[in-house]
Amino acid sequence: EPEVTQTPSHQVTQMGQEVILRCVPISNHLYFYWYRQILGQKVEFLVSFYNNEISEKSEIFDDQFSVERPDGSNFTLKIRSTKLEDSAMYFCASTKNPGTEAFFGQGTRLTVV
Amino acid sequence: GENVGLHLPTLSVQEGDNSIINCAYSNSASDYFIWYKQESGKGPQFIIDIRSNMDKRQGQRVTVLLNKTVKHLSLQIAATQPGDSAVYFCAETPGTASKLTFGTGTRLQVTL
Repeated sequence: EPEVTQTPSHQVTQMGQEVILRCVPISNHLYFYWYRQILGQKVEFLVSFYNNEISEKSEIFDDQFSVERPDGSNFTLKIRSTKLEDSAMYFCASTKNPGTEAFFGQGTRLTVV
Repeated sequence: GENVGLHLPTLSVQEGDNSIINCAYSNSASDYFIWYKQESGKGPQFIIDIRSNMDKRQGQRVTVLLNKTVKHLSLQIAATQPGDSAVYFCAETPGTASKLTFGTGTRLQVTL
């Protein structure tokens, strides 16, 4: 069964450092997303990406965040200068079309110290 | 993701009983709804979906009911099993938009 894969599963970084979270969406999907889940809270939308550009972003997704599809398979989330409050689980998801089932990866736990 | 410490509504059911998990959504423009299951340390896992032109949809052991009048969604799990223990989230989206808006979740605990 096709699945969304994310690496690493856990990343610890110092405050102020840059991190890149990686995702390989399902191969025939065209829409890609990042969500996050702060410990003890619900899953929150960060950004959606289609046709090599951001289609929608939330207010959480400020200038410190960026996304990229550097090749035909990877989809990355970069946080330029991490803050303590960026500590969360980050989930990548993909869909064939908007308004259809979104498949989620297992997540990357980011811990900023 | 873990939900340790999250003050979620919790539903405790005995193995073999039926479970009903409820969700209220806020956006009247939403026309596509999904139920996700999240086990500790894992990502949300799709269970079942429903579009706004339906009020009921059945899967294997699961049924989703949609009441658009009161903006309410429910998930029914028949013959609940220990493996059903998890946090359950409803999610909604207007069909032309792509992002999902998640509810706060309900923790289902299945007792033997």
